[in-house]
Amino acid sequence: GAGVSQTPSNKVTEKGKYVELRCDPISGHTALYWYRQSLGQGPEFLIYFQGTGAADDSGLPNDRFFAVRPEGSVSTLKIQRTERGDSAVYLCASSLQASSYNEQFFGPGTRLTVL
Amino acid sequence: GNSVTQMEGPVTLSEEAFLTINCTYTATGYPSLFWYVQYPGEGLQLLLKATKADDKGSNKGFEATYRKETTSFHLEKGSVQVSDSAVYFCALAAGGTSYGKLTFGQGTILTVHP
Repeated sequence: GAGVSQTPSNKVTEKGKYVELRCDPISGHTALYWYRQSLGQGPEFLIYFQGTGAADDSGLPNDRFFAVRPEGSVSTLKIQRTERGDSAVYLCASSLQASSYNEQFFGPGTRLTVL
Repeated sequence: GNSVTQMEGPVTLSEEAFLTINCTYTATGYPSLFWYVQYPGEGLQLLLKATKADDKGSNKGFEATYRKETTSFHLEKGSVQVSDSAVYFCALAAGGTSYGKLTFGQGTILTVHP
């Protein structure tokens, strides 16, 4: 079946602009995670959804970052007033249920470049 | 807090050589441990996992054993192939209210030459 998809695959924007990154998880997966991966580093946790609600947003770096999952499926990560330091690959992952035992399936990522 | 430390890279080997990539962790409670791999041009995918102490995860000739006494989860393969060239990430998911969120190491780039 289809894996996790993310759009766009690449996004170039100017400093100060607003961007939206979309994640379409595997059908039936209730848990959805966002991570950010800077060059040469491992992914860092941003936010986790169980169903429609954000159960843990402790990884969001500041209030310019916000994410929603209104119908418990597709999620959108929103970044306001982008800064050059926001440039990174943004990864989405989903799993059947939120558990330390379950595999997370990752999407291909969105590469965000802020000029 | 939780953390994962991987050996410094990159690692360059000849085909059929033995591979070890070291991984140690710090976590409260009883985490699950994972190795994820990122092949060139592809997304992250799970290579193997272990969910409790002394468990051994294995896949595609790779193995790693969950050692609680040394807080380690070293990745090994007896004979690497050119197709194993990739970036390898060690990760943990703490139990309890962490909801499975992953903490990753910095990654180790492996290059295998014919």
